[in-house]
Amino acid sequence: RKEVEQDPGPFNVPEGATVAFNCTYSNSASQSFFWYRQDCRKEPKLLMSVYSSGNEDGRFTAQLNRASQYISLLIRDSKLSDSATYLCVVNRGDFGNEKLTFGTGTRLTIIP
Amino acid sequence: DAGITQSPRHKVTETGTPVTLRCHQTENHRYMYWYRQDPGHGLRLIHYSYGVKDTDKGEVSDGYSVSRSKTEDFLLTLESATSSQTSVYFCAISEITIVRNTQYFGPGTRLTVL
Repeated sequence: RKEVEQDPGPFNVPEGATVAFNCTYSNSASQSFFWYRQDCRKEPKLLMSVYSSGNEDGRFTAQLNRASQYISLLIRDSKLSDSATYLCVVNRGDFGNEKLTFGTGTRLTIIP
Repeated sequence: DAGITQSPRHKVTETGTPVTLRCHQTENHRYMYWYRQDPGHGLRLIHYSYGVKDTDKGEVSDGYSVSRSKTEDFLLTLESATSSQTSVYFCAISEITIVRNTQYFGPGTRLTVL
């Protein structure tokens, strides 16, 4: 079983719709969690950290479920500019000794 | 913008030749990382550095070496390039706050080994 698993997609979603991705992780000792977005042929860019209580940043909401070992990302009112690959990232190390494991990404295309 | 540049951005080389990739940062971050990204795999850590002359191996370090003689520069060397090292290479730095350590990436180097 992979340490971090994501549905690769592609998710083809009409503009304005709501879309959600899940990501599961296998190491229950994982300490912190992130979502990155990656545009084609570009570097990954931090979208948001995922906090235990869940957090929201504009149209984006991230949730963590430690019991079931998954994190989720919800995008509301999707825009064409949201088209990208979304990477789930899990840190299984301690602060100062991070060991990041990256998922292979979920590809999202927003359709006009 | 985390102030990270990578050079070269693209390189084509032949099997058996040595190749050095450079990562340069302008913000005095202590931690620097080299990853590779291949289809079907998440980003995988090659080597990382936690200070000048302090480096350690990641999960896919075979065939790679690194050096960090200055805070701002982290070099990745392929001693004798092989076709399996064709990949996109990303450098990253860690931005450390009281509560979190977050990694930011450079623009990447696309390496092709023929």
